[in-house]
Amino acid sequence: RKEVEQDPGPFNVPEGATVAFNCTYSNSASQSFFWYRQDCRKEPKLLMSVYSSGNEDGRFTAQLNRASQYISLLIRDSKLSDSATYLCVVTLNTGGFKTIFGAGTRLFVKA
Amino acid sequence: EAQVTQNPRYLITVTGKKLTVTCSQNMNHEYMSWYRQDPGLGLRQIYYSMNVEVTDKGDVPEGYKVSRKEKRNFPLILESPSPNQTSLYFCASSLTGTGWTEAFFGQGTRLTVV
Repeated sequence: RKEVEQDPGPFNVPEGATVAFNCTYSNSASQSFFWYRQDCRKEPKLLMSVYSSGNEDGRFTAQLNRASQYISLLIRDSKLSDSATYLCVVTLNTGGFKTIFGAGTRLFVKA
Repeated sequence: EAQVTQNPRYLITVTGKKLTVTCSQNMNHEYMSWYRQDPGLGLRQIYYSMNVEVTDKGDVPEGYKVSRKEKRNFPLILESPSPNQTSLYFCASSLTGTGWTEAFFGQGTRLTVV
């Protein structure tokens, strides 16, 4: 079983739609959680951190459920520019600090 | 400008010919790491470094070496590249490896081993 699992998609949605991505992680020692965005052939960039209390940044809302080992990302009012791959990321304290990426969920927003 | 710089961006090499991919950051970050990205597998961590002279294996370290002699530089060395190391490689740095610190990535190095 992969340490961080995501639905690979692709998700094809019209502009203005609300779309939700889910991610599960297997290691209960996971310490911190993030969503990164990656455009085609480009480097990943931080979208937002994911806190236990949940957090919101404009149209984006992230939630963490430590008991279920589950992370979510909600995008409201999708824009064409939201088309990208969304990566779920977890850090583990294993003596050192490893970073584990999910394989990503591809999103296409269409006019 | 704060950045992570990788070189080269593209490289085609032959099996067995040693190569080094350089990575440099100008943000005085303690934590640096290398990843490879393959279709369907996402980014997988090769090696990471918590600070100067401190390196540790990630999930896929076989066939790679790293060193961290200076805080800003973290080169990735392939002593004897093989075709299964053909991939897109990213270097990243963050202020620390602990907690909620943002990772900044280089632009990537696309390596082909023939």
